[in-house]
Amino acid sequence: ILNVEQSPQSLHVQEGDSTNFTCSFPSSNFYALHWYRWETAKSPEALFVMTLNGDEKKKGRISATLNTKEGYSYLYIKGSQPEDSATYLCAFNFGNEKLTFGTGTRLTIIP
Amino acid sequence: NAGVTQTPKFQVLKTGQSMTLQCAQDMNHEYMSWYRQDPGMGLRLIHYSVGAGITDQGEVPNGYNVSRSTTEDFPLRLLSAAPSQTSVYFCASRFTGLAENNEQFFGPGTRLTVL
Repeated sequence: ILNVEQSPQSLHVQEGDSTNFTCSFPSSNFYALHWYRWETAKSPEALFVMTLNGDEKKKGRISATLNTKEGYSYLYIKGSQPEDSATYLCAFNFGNEKLTFGTGTRLTIIP
Repeated sequence: NAGVTQTPKFQVLKTGQSMTLQCAQDMNHEYMSWYRQDPGMGLRLIHYSVGAGITDQGEVPNGYNVSRSTTEDFPLRLLSAAPSQTSVYFCASRFTGLAENNEQFFGPGTRLTVL
């Protein structure tokens, strides 16, 4: 079984601080990596789809980087706000179209 | 566009009953999939389809059947419900292929309780 791992499992961050967390995946046979934001009682929503080594994506205060050779992606949030509280999921496409999800990083922003 | 729709939103079954969870999308996506969400387990893939007439198993397919007769619809059937199938079920869809805009869209979820 090829695993996607996320760390940390949970994180508490003071409002206004910046933070980051990690998604690790098998470095062989890379196809694509997805990041999703999942608020409680809602459905996951896509943040980024990353396909190339060295990719950097940005959406407002959230950005992500990708290193396919070493098998990791970082998600950064700059100047955290209460509305950033959510679970952040990464998902790996092994090349057969299936997306395998990590268990997520649960982020809580403390006002 | 309605996006990805799922029905019902909530369902309670007795052990041994069968039912079908409905999923439809109006974005002409080739890929559709079903996940279940359990505490501490994240999203686990049940079945998926890359186009009409094509389905395949995910990580946890036992106890579930799917079919894909049209591009739009991807129903999930529970053949004989068991308490272990109590979960929240999400349907999702996206375009296939290696493209940076083929993000996955999720339905609102179905909360299923099996007594």
